[in-house]
Amino acid sequence: QLQLQESGPGLVKPSETLSLTCTVSGGSISSHYWGWIRQPPGKGLECIGSIYYSGNTYYNPSLKSRVTISVDTSKNQFSLKLSSVTAADTAVYYCARGPWGFYFFDYWGQGTLVTVSS
Amino acid sequence: EIVLTQSPGTLSLSPGERATLSCRASQSVSSSYLAWYQQKPGQAPRLLIYGASSRATGIPDRFSGSGSGTDFTLTVSRLEPEDFAVYYCQQYGSSPFTFGPGTKVDIK
Repeated sequence: QLQLQESGPGLVKPSETLSLTCTVSGGSISSHYWGWIRQPPGKGLECIGSIYYSGNTYYNPSLKSRVTISVDTSKNQFSLKLSSVTAADTAVYYCARGPWGFYFFDYWGQGTLVTVSS
Repeated sequence: EIVLTQSPGTLSLSPGERATLSCRASQSVSSSYLAWYQQKPGQAPRLLIYGASSRATGIPDRFSGSGSGTDFTLTVSRLEPEDFAVYYCQQYGSSPFTFGPGTKVDIK
């Protein structure tokens, strides 16, 4: 059974860079797309971006200037960096799989809350 | 950007009843690239439907999706106690790939 697990700091200071890693187990990262989605407390869902194992990326245009998604196939991991964070970036961050090259998500991590505060 | 509107905002029903949830897009969703998710408190979303009408692996057949163009529907034929949750639609045909604001199905 495919499993995804997010890891990273739960607290980030304003103007700094948020960094999260998603570890994939029970299957290879060397297929499908792998994405990041976030959900501010009590609010809806927002696609941040996705990456294919070959390195091809998609970023939400509203976040593109601040987002970098990378993949490490040797560790079966992919990562998110979001720079210049503000309180508006406080959210639960989920990693997920986008099957067959599509941008819907069939396997999700449990999510990790990242709070932006000084 | 395609804006998705979901209605109603809240649906109050009893177990055993039929739930009909609507997702309307501001522009046509190409190739019916529309998905539905269920989310319970403190949990990640769970994929129910993709391609507007294809059930994801392991999803009971009481869940069905329909629609095309700008109007899509998720139907739960008979609500089970575990179906009370928030439901989101997502379009993945045009960038940015957007979610609707959700419909909460609660117990009447």
